[in-house]
Amino acid sequence: DGGITQSPKYLFRKEGQNVTLSCEQNLNHDAMYWYRQDPGQGLRLIYYSQIVNDFQKGDIAEGYSVSREKKESFPLTVTSAQKNPTAFYLCASSIAEDRYSNQPQHFGDGTRLSIL
Amino acid sequence: QQPVQSPQAVILREGEDAVINCSSSKALYSVHWYRQKHGEAPVFLMILLKGGEQKGHEKISASFNEKKQQSSLYLTASQLSYSGTYFCGTADSWGKLQFGAGTQVVVTP
Repeated sequence: DGGITQSPKYLFRKEGQNVTLSCEQNLNHDAMYWYRQDPGQGLRLIYYSQIVNDFQKGDIAEGYSVSREKKESFPLTVTSAQKNPTAFYLCASSIAEDRYSNQPQHFGDGTRLSIL
Repeated sequence: QQPVQSPQAVILREGEDAVINCSSSKALYSVHWYRQKHGEAPVFLMILLKGGEQKGHEKISASFNEKKQQSSLYLTASQLSYSGTYFCGTADSWGKLQFGAGTQVVVTP
């Protein structure tokens, strides 16, 4: 079955450490997204990518970095510059969309990141 | 800018109806609705792309009032499986989706 796989499910970060969250999809989708979810705040966009080797910052990109070397993969690195990384991170993908966000997004099961 | 959802939470008995509203201060081109159960991924319900468009998913339907810059999600004859947090996502021209804070729905027997 096609879908989005995020790993690990739980991740712990030490002070000053960078950690990388994995996101892989086999839906043949062009667009991929990373969201951060905090309690009571809904989903906030960190980065998105519409095509391989290209990505754009979302609303809260500071302290995060991404790469898109393959269509199937869109890893997110939470750097030590992100001072409050504890959150639930969701990866999503969709068919390439036009300017009106007219395609549904399919989400992975998320990674819960905590600080040690 | 993040859309505003109301109410924040609603408790229903099986078979009752509920309405969830999603309002934006910007002109909207599309509205998405998703449902997320605790600890799980959000699941897509429907997209509304035109003003006045209504869509349905089983007994869950939605409307999009472009002039009022808002959308409403209708839960009709609620079932236990409808429990979860419902999010609207809105997009203005060239914008990416902005999600509301969510509405928690609890359906009791």
